[in-house]
Parts: sequence; structure tokens; C-alpha cells
Amino acid sequence: GESVGLHLPTLSVQEGDNSIINCAYSNSASDYFIWYKQESGKGPQFIIDIRSNMDKRQGQRVTVLLNKTVKHLSLQIAATQPGDSAVYFCAEKIAGNTPLVFGKGTRLSVIA
Amino acid sequence: KAGVTQTPRYLIKTRGQQVTLSCSPISGHRSVSWYQQTPGQGLQFLFEYFSETQRNKGNFPGRFSGRQFSNSRSEMNVSTLELGDSALYLCASSKEGTNVNTEAFFGQGTRLTVV
Repeated sequence: GESVGLHLPTLSVQEGDNSIINCAYSNSASDYFIWYKQESGKGPQFIIDIRSNMDKRQGQRVTVLLNKTVKHLSLQIAATQPGDSAVYFCAEKIAGNTPLVFGKGTRLSVIA
Repeated sequence: KAGVTQTPRYLIKTRGQQVTLSCSPISGHRSVSWYQQTPGQGLQFLFEYFSETQRNKGNFPGRFSGRQFSNSRSEMNVSTLELGDSALYLCASSKEGTNVNTEAFFGQGTRLTVV
């Protein structure tokens, strides 16, 4: 069945450095992906999304890369700040009216 | 505009009781999805409602149920609570037209503790 997983459960990054959070997905039929950020005590916050007809999308300080060949998704955060410390989830969606399937999450810790 | 609102924020219930959680989606959003989040488990999909109809259902027992009203507000109910039902219950809303993938936005969640 479909599944979404993360290569690294925790990631520590020096403030100012770039962060890369990776995600693997197993179903080649997935056509929509979202990255969420969840801070302690809060609900997941939408960061950026990408559709399968794209391989890169940029937002403010964030870039999502999609490699459909190897079913890999990554979130790059430029100039990581203490406020970026959170758990990051990738989520995939297959076809139109199907639910988002979430990975386990990666905890990003920013070292000041 | 207002985001997704979930009430209550915190809840403590006793085993065997039942509980109802509420979610008001973003204005104009017709799809409401519910997720259960437990430590180490990530987010597990419960069910999704669209235009008052359950459109998708996850692998949870029948004790978990939900509904959606004509104004798109949704409630979920858990009957005969078990200790393992203690979790953060999250609601997400999206515009979600037919076969269109759109962003899903989450509320702050309801923290349910079963004792």
C-alpha cells in the first residue's frame, strides 16, 4: 500500500546554515505533496506544496524538490533560524479525492 | 480570514465515556478531515467529510464516527473511550473541488486525555 517515510528522524543544524529534510514515498501514483511544520502544542502549519508535474517549487526561504524517478521529496530551508525548530512532516496524496498520508516526521533543532 | 477552529482545546474523560469534538473550517472550505496524532505515530487519518457526506475513512474502529453539517462544520465522536484514545485530534479543511488537490489547513487540535 502507499506509505510515506522520512530518512532522518532528527536533524540538528547550526543557525544560519541551510537545512535539508528528506522524505521517501512508495506510491508512484502520488501526484500531490505538502510539507507541514508543527511546533510544540500547535497544529501542523502548511509550508509549501508541489504537484507531480513539477520538480521544484520555491517559497520564502524554502524550496521543495521532487524526484519522481526515485520517489523522493525534500524540503530545503535557507539560513535556518531558531524559529524553524519544529517537527516537519511530508504528506502525499494519491489521485483527487483521497486523504493526505503523512510520514512520521523529522525533528529539526536549530543550534544558536 | 479566520483559520480552522477546534473546540475544546483540552479535554479529560474517563474510560467508557463518550466525547464529541468540534471543528469549524475556513470559510468557503467544504472538505473537513480528521486525524489522530499520538507520540511516535505521526498523523493517522480518521475520516473526511465533503458536502455533508463521508468521502473517505481510515482504519479506525466503529467507535470513531463523525458528521458534517450544512455550514461545513464538523464533529467527531468517540464512544466507549479507551486509554489508548488519548491523543491530539486534528481537523484540517480544504476547498477540495472534485479531483482537485488543494492545500489543507489544520486547526490547533483538541488534546484528549482518557483516564
